[in-house]
Amino acid sequence: EAGVAQSPRYKIIEKRQSVAFWCNPISGHATLYWYQQILGQGPKLLIQFQNNGVVDDSQLPKDRFSAERLKGVDSTLKIQPAKLEDSAVYLCASSPSGTAYSGANVLTFGAGSRLTVL
Amino acid sequence: AQSVSQHNHHVILSEAASLELGCNYSYGGTVNLFWYVQYPGQHLQLLLKYFSGDPLVKGIKGFEAEFIKSKFSFNLRKPSVQWSDTAEYFCAVNAASSASKIIFGSGTRLSIRP
Repeated sequence: EAGVAQSPRYKIIEKRQSVAFWCNPISGHATLYWYQQILGQGPKLLIQFQNNGVVDDSQLPKDRFSAERLKGVDSTLKIQPAKLEDSAVYLCASSPSGTAYSGANVLTFGAGSRLTVL
Repeated sequence: AQSVSQHNHHVILSEAASLELGCNYSYGGTVNLFWYVQYPGQHLQLLLKYFSGDPLVKGIKGFEAEFIKSKFSFNLRKPSVQWSDTAEYFCAVNAASSASKIIFGSGTRLSIRP
């Protein structure tokens, strides 16, 4: 099966500019996640979608970050305006629906989008 | 709130040495536990998982982990490491429901000397 697709792989912008990342999950996966991974740290969940509804966005800096998953398939994450501390790898992951026993909590990750803010 | 602690930030071993990476979590209820691995230049991928049943779980490439509920721990082990095990290892936890968010530890970088 095709994996989780993300683009762009790399992006360099100046602070206060905007950027958008795109993710296409594994076909049929109901749950989509965006994680932020700063160098030397573990992935931090920004937002979790179940189909096209938001399950958790408690750690999303909503003054500058937004995300949508309009048709319950692919998703975009936007940052506007970017700050220096937003430099990180933005990971998209997806998991199937169902119970934990059926693998609903097993994440398949994309390659990530590396953002550098100057 | 759930949290995960990985106390070893960087571990350096020689080939054939035994490995144990620590993982402790804080959450009072039933949990699902995971170890993910990121090899150089590759995606994060699942190494092994615990949902229920036998607390000793086996994963790919000879790795295993033991869930000790009384210690809130899920340490990763391998009896004899290889150079190809050089990677970053992340422990993760979520409350045992399908919609619960999955929290990751800060990771342990493992370097194997050939």
